Amino acid sequence: GAGVSQSPSNKVTEKGKDVELRCDPISGHTALYWYRQSLGQGLEFLIYFQGNSAPDKSGLPSDRFSAERTGGSVSTLTIQRTQQEDSAVYLCASSLSGAPGYTFGSGTRLTVV
Amino acid sequence: AQTVTQSQPEMSVQEAETVTLSCTYDTSENNYYLFWYKQPPSRQMILVIRQEAYKQQNATENRFSVNFQKAAKSFSLKISDSQLGDTAMYFCASPTYNTDKLIFGTGTRLQVFP
Repeated sequence: GAGVSQSPSNKVTEKGKDVELRCDPISGHTALYWYRQSLGQGLEFLIYFQGNSAPDKSGLPSDRFSAERTGGSVSTLTIQRTQQEDSAVYLCASSLSGAPGYTFGSGTRLTVV
Repeated sequence: AQTVTQSQPEMSVQEAETVTLSCTYDTSENNYYLFWYKQPPSRQMILVIRQEAYKQQNATENRFSVNFQKAAKSFSLKISDSQLGDTAMYFCASPTYNTDKLIFGTGTRLQVFP
């Protein structure tokens, strides 16, 4: 597609439920990143996929968070047993390997009630 | 740990005036890019300008320019002839060592007044 697509745009879930957030990167982009942005805060790195390499999971805040990238394209971020502190905007970005800078999606606003 | 610091949580400027947003960073890379991103209320992160550290000349994109001081690890953004549409959060970003992963500052909220 022309840009990075994220779905859903907004998600409200009950505490304790699992959620899945989807990111469809720009076609041909080998690198894919997930960031979390809490209200009024900066971007917190979560996870990074680069081609067929093992993902960099160093930013995942707990084992309730996981992500996968199927076929080197679409990625899903899963949060299990959601907590209120998980409420945030989850941003996905993609880039060509070695190319400077990312293209971001519009994010998913997750609200845990 | 590598850090990016934006010391101005909020700034305001009158339309048509000039404003400068500050950013300092800490990287052990020799060659790298630095970035300014804009996030309007729509929350879409938009690349405003980037600077390659090896280039002495400061980058310019229309009304946006940078003042890059490599030795001081300073990378400020100047917005000339400010417009109402420039109202947004602005984030400075630098790479982590030996990866394409970016670290972002905490942002500066810019309000442009008519």
